[in-house]
Amino acid sequence: AQSVTQLGSHVSVSEGALVLLRCNYSSSVPPYLFWYVQYPNQGLQLLLKYTSAATLVKGINGFEAEFKKSETSFHLTKPSAHMSDAAEYFCAVTASSASKIIFGSGTRLSIRP
Amino acid sequence: DADVTQTPRNRITKTGKRIMLECSQTKGHDRMYWYRQDPGLGLRLIYYSFDVKDINKGEISDGYSVSRQAQAKFSLSLESAIPNQTALYFCATSDLENYGYTFGSGTRLTVV
Repeated sequence: AQSVTQLGSHVSVSEGALVLLRCNYSSSVPPYLFWYVQYPNQGLQLLLKYTSAATLVKGINGFEAEFKKSETSFHLTKPSAHMSDAAEYFCAVTASSASKIIFGSGTRLSIRP
Repeated sequence: DADVTQTPRNRITKTGKRIMLECSQTKGHDRMYWYRQDPGLGLRLIYYSFDVKDINKGEISDGYSVSRQAQAKFSLSLESAIPNQTALYFCATSDLENYGYTFGSGTRLTVV
């Protein structure tokens, strides 16, 4: 069985500061991991995904995430926050493309001017 | 047009009423899913379908039913709506070649 835990339901950073959103996973098989972003009044959009290739994954809008098996983590980072990054971010895990995806509870990111 | 279209976008209904949420897709994906989103709980899976003849319950299927009318259409029904079914509902699709889902824009349902 798979699960994900997102640490921090709300993160607030200043514009231009580092963004770090934490995600830890649990999986009995090698996982496939995702970050999705949800802007207000919109559906979820895929930000990036890890599918057992490179452990450092680059996504859209300057975000990246690193798969660390020893720490069972897949934290999302962005070097410099922009006001447009304000949204809710979901970490998710699956066992394969044939399996359903399990989502974390989400982290709301706020950006201070 | 959007790849995954949900109708209606917003709906207010009364307790005890039957309501159907519809989802259609142009992605050509075999797999379709219904999730509900509640603040602080993330997305929870209600039902999913891997092809037209396949329907599976998710983690919170009680009080809901689904119909897969065609590869492109997957409807969610609330037979007798109750207030704790007030939520944001998302339809999603996927295929075997690409990991990850394509989501619709959601249906905001309020049961009063």
